[in-house]
Amino acid sequence: DSGVTQTPKHLITATGQRVTLRCSPRSGDLSVYWYQQSLDQGLQFLIQYYNGEERAKGNILERFSAQQFPDLHSELNLSSLELGDSALYFCASSGDRGRAGELFFGEGSRLTVL
Amino acid sequence: AQKITQTQPGMFVQEKEAVTLDCTYDTSDPSYGLFWYKQPSSGEMIFLIYQGSYDQQNATEGRYSLNFQKARKSANLVISASQLGDSAMYFCAMREVHSGGGADGLTFGKGTHLIIQP
Repeated sequence: DSGVTQTPKHLITATGQRVTLRCSPRSGDLSVYWYQQSLDQGLQFLIQYYNGEERAKGNILERFSAQQFPDLHSELNLSSLELGDSALYFCASSGDRGRAGELFFGEGSRLTVL
Repeated sequence: AQKITQTQPGMFVQEKEAVTLDCTYDTSDPSYGLFWYKQPSSGEMIFLIYQGSYDQQNATEGRYSLNFQKARKSANLVISASQLGDSAMYFCAMREVHSGGGADGLTFGKGTHLIIQP
């Protein structure tokens, strides 16, 4: 158990809909990362938050947004969903900053868009 | 240029044989970490082993060892005495301390699908 909790584990929805994925980082970890894993794109970095502030953006679509709340949990919002958004979405957390230590991954949220 | 390159999309190996999964990386950051993760068909990312750029010795964790050749920018994973349960996707990843854009997360390779045959 990595200590990172993601909900829901599975989600099936229709095109055009909006979903919210939730992540609770390890206790005390200030950094949260979101990754998307699709069959054709591999693991892609989406966005990073540190202590409530957006720190870096990767390949995140404009239809997607995220935030990190004061209690450090994070939500990834996906809107106007398309078939191609079907993927496994991972959240990871890290307690260090400026160091190259381990990221701890949640079990992922598997999104299927029909 | 790709930061992490895994040149073996798939591998078939006989049970009990040793396996080497290749990984090369590209960075100008003197401080970085290299990771290997295992992803079974169930989907979770399982951390296997870590090598820091300043570590003098190659990392080992049970049956896993990392063959770190810094000058070649190579970080191959070696699995000794492979088991059927080792069948999974394996990802090499790098974390740079001073990466551009402020992100300090992991950059992943495309993975190697390892199948252990009885």
